[in-house]
Amino acid sequence: DGGITQSPKYLFRKEGQNVTLSCEQNLNHDAMYWYRQDPGQGLRLIYYSQIVNDFQKGDIAEGYSVSREKKESFPLTVTSAQKNPTAFYLCASSPRTSASAGHNEQFFGPGTRLTVL
Amino acid sequence: GQQVMQIPQYQHVQEGEDFTTYCNSSTTLSNIQWYKQRPGGHPVFLIQLVKSGEVKKQKRLTFQFGEAKKNSSLHITATQTTDVGTYFCAGRGSGYSTLTFGKGTMLLVSP
Repeated sequence: DGGITQSPKYLFRKEGQNVTLSCEQNLNHDAMYWYRQDPGQGLRLIYYSQIVNDFQKGDIAEGYSVSREKKESFPLTVTSAQKNPTAFYLCASSPRTSASAGHNEQFFGPGTRLTVL
Repeated sequence: GQQVMQIPQYQHVQEGEDFTTYCNSSTTLSNIQWYKQRPGGHPVFLIQLVKSGEVKKQKRLTFQFGEAKKNSSLHITATQTTDVGTYFCAGRGSGYSTLTFGKGTMLLVSP
């Protein structure tokens, strides 16, 4: 059964603690993405990776870090430097990111709702 | 950078009424995608438009891409309660490798 998994679904942390969100895909997709969703704000891109061992900052990368050591995994760490980390975090993957390619729709995981107390 | 505006932010209709959401980009797009997110769920891909003036239909949903490739619309005919959710457009600018999402239009349908 192919897809993207994110765990956990709900996560609570104390202020000042780093926390790592998991994202795994078995779709054999090259590209993976992390988005943050706040009410009324749509999806904002945090980081993305087009290939193993490479990743790029998105629009709101400050206070976050990622790694891409394996094709199927793209974990996101929310650091204590992130000023307002409480949000819904969505991971996605797509076959490729080329601007001219077709079939590059994004497949989303179920999301992790992070609450920092 | 790229900006994608989407209106309206919210719409409440009676079942059977039509619904339209509009998307406008500050730059020319190479393609535009539409996603639907049900309450409590995650975005699910609906369609991608690539050509200038393109129109695609999926049952009661009609998607259009403007001639200048800077705007798009999604029209739902005779809404049903199953259409409830937030509809997002996401544009990919020429030379960009990522999508820029609009803020979405939340659709509520009353029976």
